[in-house]
Amino acid sequence: GEDVEQSLFLSVREGDSSVINCTYTDSSSTYLYWYKQEPGAGLQLLTYIFSNMDMKQDQRLTVLLNKKDKHLSLRIADTQTGDSAIYFCAERYSTLTFGKGTMLLVSP
Amino acid sequence: EAGVAQSPRYKIIEKRQSVAFWCNPISGHATLYWYQQILGQGPKLLIQFQNNGVVDDSQLPKDRFSAERLKGVDSTLKIQPAKLEDSAVYLCASSPGTSGSSGELFFGEGSRLTVL
Repeated sequence: GEDVEQSLFLSVREGDSSVINCTYTDSSSTYLYWYKQEPGAGLQLLTYIFSNMDMKQDQRLTVLLNKKDKHLSLRIADTQTGDSAIYFCAERYSTLTFGKGTMLLVSP
Repeated sequence: EAGVAQSPRYKIIEKRQSVAFWCNPISGHATLYWYQQILGQGPKLLIQFQNNGVVDDSQLPKDRFSAERLKGVDSTLKIQPAKLEDSAVYLCASSPGTSGSSGELFFGEGSRLTVL
């Protein structure tokens, strides 16, 4: 079955880069996503990558996909306190399957 | 453009009582999803509708949960009778559902259920 694993917590200082990692099991995934969830809010799509791509860059966000190892990462450059939130990795094959989320804490 | 609307935002009930949640998706979105998010976990799909038909309800506990989308727009999720383990945030999401799209889901703010 589909399974998505993430580390649970990451703490960085403002201005540093953050890297959040994710592994998935379904090699048939078509798209992989990163969603952000702030306290008391729904999930908001940050970025996504098609499974035949290795990298996607969008302003401060860089997504790297290693399809052989089924590993996805999200790099946030120049992390700000406003980036503090829970970040969910998700894969899509027939449906969207989410990981448990990584809580990112950015300290001043 | 208005986002996905959900109500109520918060609901507290006792076990064995019933509760209903309502969702109004983004206008024109054919696909509607209900997810359950238990504290500390990622969202888990309960049911997916395409227009007013059910695409996937394999993880919906059908002995107590039901959902409908009668006119292919709004949807209601009902729990009867509720159990303590149903305490969670119930997220509604919608997507255009067109083939070839990225499959992005647009989420509402969720309905937080506490069962005492």
